[in-house]
Amino acid sequence: RKEVEQDPGPFNVPEGATVAFNCTYSNSASQSFFWYRQDCRKEPKLLMSVYSSGNEDGRFTAQLNRASQYISLLIRDSKLSDSATYLCVVNPFGYQKVTFGTGTKLQVIP
Amino acid sequence: EPEVTQTPSHQVTQMGQEVILRCVPISNHLYFYWYRQILGQKVEFLVSFYNNEISEKSEIFDDQFSVERPDGSNFTLKIRSTKLEDSAMYFCASRVSGGLNTGELFFGEGSRLTVL
Repeated sequence: RKEVEQDPGPFNVPEGATVAFNCTYSNSASQSFFWYRQDCRKEPKLLMSVYSSGNEDGRFTAQLNRASQYISLLIRDSKLSDSATYLCVVNPFGYQKVTFGTGTKLQVIP
Repeated sequence: EPEVTQTPSHQVTQMGQEVILRCVPISNHLYFYWYRQILGQKVEFLVSFYNNEISEKSEIFDDQFSVERPDGSNFTLKIRSTKLEDSAMYFCASRVSGGLNTGELFFGEGSRLTVL
């Protein structure tokens, strides 16, 4: 099983739609979880951290399910500017290594 | 806003040549990283560096690679004898903390390496 696994997509959705991405991780000792966004040929940038209780930031909601070892990202009311690759990122407890998933590509269509 | 800076933005080199990629992490950050991304592929961990030594490295980070923090400011990645398959975007990243309170990784804009 890959350390961090994501559906690569692409997800093509119309503007205003709601879209959800899932990510599974293999290391049950994983401690910290993040969603990053990467635009084409640019560096990854933090979208949001993922907390055990779930968290929301505007149109974005992140959830963590430790029992099933997955995290999710929900984007409501998609905008054209949301088009990017969304990277699931996992950091095991006690380790410095931060592991990225392959990313899920989102294309929001007018 | 403080940022991670990388130079050069693009380097073209011949196979077998040595390359040094430079990074200036954010000044109060303690943990430093190099990642690489081959075109169209995932962001891959190479190495982490803390307290002037390597804390973790991946299987990609073999004897051809080395890192250094020569002057308390710069953080460099050296590839001794480049191969064609080293062609990639190399990202430097830093963060304030690690361990129990792991924080956000801040990335530089990357150095694109092309090996001919």
